[in-house]
Amino acid sequence: DQQVKQNSPSLSVQEGRISILNCDYTNSMFDYFLWYKKYPAEGPTFLISISSIKDKNEDGRFTVFLNKSAKHLSLHIVPSQPGDSAVYFCAAKASGSRLTFGEGTQLTVNP
Amino acid sequence: NAGVTQTPKFRVLKTGQSMTLLCAQDMNHEYMYWYRQDPGMGLRLIHYSVGEGTTAKGEVPDGYNVSRLKKQNFLLGLESAAPSQTSVYFCASSYVTQPQHFGDGTRLSIL
Repeated sequence: DQQVKQNSPSLSVQEGRISILNCDYTNSMFDYFLWYKKYPAEGPTFLISISSIKDKNEDGRFTVFLNKSAKHLSLHIVPSQPGDSAVYFCAAKASGSRLTFGEGTQLTVNP
Repeated sequence: NAGVTQTPKFRVLKTGQSMTLLCAQDMNHEYMYWYRQDPGMGLRLIHYSVGEGTTAKGEVPDGYNVSRLKKQNFLLGLESAAPSQTSVYFCASSYVTQPQHFGDGTRLSIL
């Protein structure tokens, strides 16, 4: 039972344009959501998070949007840069429970 | 500040052999985790620990054992390796409510 799904295995965008990565979840008890970024041969690194009491959180070029009614979150990167090329994982957790990860989306930003 | 260090980075085993993966963190984190990453499946939690001397099962614990004898170290053991355990293994650590910090992974192949 995949509770967190990233339906797009890959995404390609042009440098300077917006990248939108999507994530859907099924567990209504999830109340905290995170995005991690992973370069090849490195471990995932934390990027941005959002609590279920908010619908938007922004950090520089990165913004996460949460739509609780649709059980959907998205990560927007504006403007996209070649250095943003990486695998992006969304993750979710309920209070007192473990983190559940999505399958990941490979983002490629073309110069 | 090294963060989370995993040893070894690569290993090839024969079916039935045993080995131990070592994870060390220097951030004084209470929580430590072992994940495996397989293509198209994201990161799945094997075992975790909420403090020195404690361990708990995650999503895919079968075939693995762990120990947390010291706060800074979390060991993952494979008693009798199987080809299905070929994967990339990530260790992570965190404070209770903070995002997890990951090591750079151990790539394990079992022939």
